[in-house]
Formats: sequence, structure tokens, C-alpha cells
Amino acid sequence: AQSVTQLGSHVSVSEGALVLLRCNYSSSVPPYLFWYVQYPNQGLQLLLKYTTGATLVKGINGFEAEFKKSETSFHLTKPSAHMSDAAEYFCAVSGRGDDKIIFGKGTRLHILP
Amino acid sequence: GAGVSQSPSNKVTEKGKDVELRCDPISGHTALYWYRQSLGQGLEFLIYFQGNSAPDKSGLPSDRFSAERTGGSVSTLTIQRTQQEDSAVYLCASSLNGPDTGELFFGEGSRLTVL
Repeated sequence: AQSVTQLGSHVSVSEGALVLLRCNYSSSVPPYLFWYVQYPNQGLQLLLKYTTGATLVKGINGFEAEFKKSETSFHLTKPSAHMSDAAEYFCAVSGRGDDKIIFGKGTRLHILP
Repeated sequence: GAGVSQSPSNKVTEKGKDVELRCDPISGHTALYWYRQSLGQGLEFLIYFQGNSAPDKSGLPSDRFSAERTGGSVSTLTIQRTQQEDSAVYLCASSLNGPDTGELFFGEGSRLTVL
């Protein structure tokens, strides 16, 4: 079975500062990992995903995430926050051979001017 | 259509009534998911359909919840004898294949309010 834990339901960063959103997963098989974003009053959209290959994954809008098997983590980062990054971010996991995708509870990112 | 379409967008019902929520996925997408989104709970997995395989119903919270997918396309989520705790946004998503080959495309959701 798979599960996801997102640390911090709310994170606030200043505009221009580093964004770090934490995600730890549990999976009994090699995982596929995802980050989705939900902007205010919009549907969810994929930011980035890890399936195989390079463990550092780059996504849209300057975000990236690194799969660390030893730490069972897939933290999301962006070097410099922009006001338009304010949204809710969801980490998700799926196990190979089990296509069910399990989402975390989400982290709402606030950008301070 | 161009995206995943869900209806109704809003539904207000009385406790004890049955409701049906509809999802029309992107044409050609074989995988279809239902999730429930409520405040502070993130996205709760409900059920997953893939092609002609038996659906994964492991996330359905009780036997009051059921879903079907006809002809590998449109899906209906039915909640019988609704309770106030069923109030949430029900999201449908589809993908071309499994998660290793594609991303989930989400609909705008159906907001259910049970009075």
C-alpha cells in the first residue's frame, strides 16, 4: 500500500525566497511520484513527475523535485518564489503494478510581499 | 470535449436522498479516477477504472457509495442515503494510460452539499 505525508498544511515564504515543500512517501514497491498544483478557483494540474531515470526532476514554472530513496522523500523546491506561486500543492504516489494514485493532504503556499 | 467534464457543478440535497454525479473523461483516455476533496483532508481516493479491468474500489468509504463506467467512457458516482459528512467536492480525473505514461487531467469537480 502507498501513502504520502506532506509536512506543513500551510507554508509562508517571502517573494524571492526559496520555496521548499516537503513530501515523504511510503510504498511497498518502487514508486511513481508526482506533484500537482491547484491555483485558486482552478482545477489541479501536473507540476512534475518521477517515474524512472534521473532522480532530479524539473517541472513547470521553475519547480523541481528530487527523489531520494534512502529518505523516502520527494521534496519540491523553487529557488525564488513569485507571487503567482501562491496555490495549494499536492504530492502523490503510485506503486508500480498498482495504478491507484494516492494524494497527500496538501500544502497551501502563501507568498509574502 | 477538450477536457474532463463533470456535472452537476453544484448539488444541494437533503440528508437521506440519493445523488448521482457524472464524469465525461477526455476521449481515448482509458483510466478514470474519482476523488473526494474536503477541507483539510486533501484528495481522498475513491475508485479507479482502467480499460475493461475490474475497478479498484478500495477507497469507497461505505457501501452507500458506488460507481460505474459504461462503455469505457462516461462514469457515474452514486451516493445513496446521503449524510452530512458526504458534503465535499467530488473530483474526476482521466489519463491516457497508467500513471507511468501520462498525467491525470482533472475536471472542475462537483460540489455536494448535504443539508
